Amino acid sequence: GESVGLHLPTLSVQEGDNSIINCAYSNSASDYFIWYKQESGKGPQFIIDIRSNMDKRQGQRVTVLLNKTVKHLSLQIAATQPGDSAVYFCAEIPPGTDKLIFGTGTRLQVFP
Amino acid sequence: EPEVTQTPSHQVTQMGQEVILRCVPISNHLYFYWYRQILGQKVEFLVSFYNNEISEKSEIFDDQFSVERPDGSNFTLKIRSTKLEDSAMYFCASSEQDGVTSPLHFGNGTRLTVT
Repeated sequence: GESVGLHLPTLSVQEGDNSIINCAYSNSASDYFIWYKQESGKGPQFIIDIRSNMDKRQGQRVTVLLNKTVKHLSLQIAATQPGDSAVYFCAEIPPGTDKLIFGTGTRLQVFP
Repeated sequence: EPEVTQTPSHQVTQMGQEVILRCVPISNHLYFYWYRQILGQKVEFLVSFYNNEISEKSEIFDDQFSVERPDGSNFTLKIRSTKLEDSAMYFCASSEQDGVTSPLHFGNGTRLTVT
């Protein structure tokens, strides 16, 4: 499954560094947000989610921050590894539906 | 770990032909979805399906599209008369509960090429 876009923003980080991927969402009433990772040839893979009543949630090596004031999400990856190289999408779910509205995606490249 | 499986991985068809894309959702999941991604564009919602009927569909999902759960394991997307602009990656997804309560799990997609 390609999320290849000729104009995807790209973040290049060195192995071991922390990565921060940002996303602006569109609907101020959205109440559920998810980060997905998409590797080449695969479908989107769930990483972490957060609901609008929280501003931070931590998983294993990943943290999601939600700033509702400016409609901004970020995904922090600690100690980035080569296996983290992929395209990362944020997605929101507006109220009254369960359909995901995906963002454009950011390509994360990890170099040794 | 259970996963959503999709077949075929790549389907080439001529304009005007019918195609059926197949998916086997995770076995205990009750909610099913199709999304698509045109090359270089965002992943877009097509349709959601629960309790043997469509829950929601997008404006993309016109009369040329249909979904079916013909048995207890498969979930299919049919395009009756394909158009060039239907060329895309089609992703099936499933969730244990609705997509607001539990996250969607996606398959690896079917690349549809319409010539």
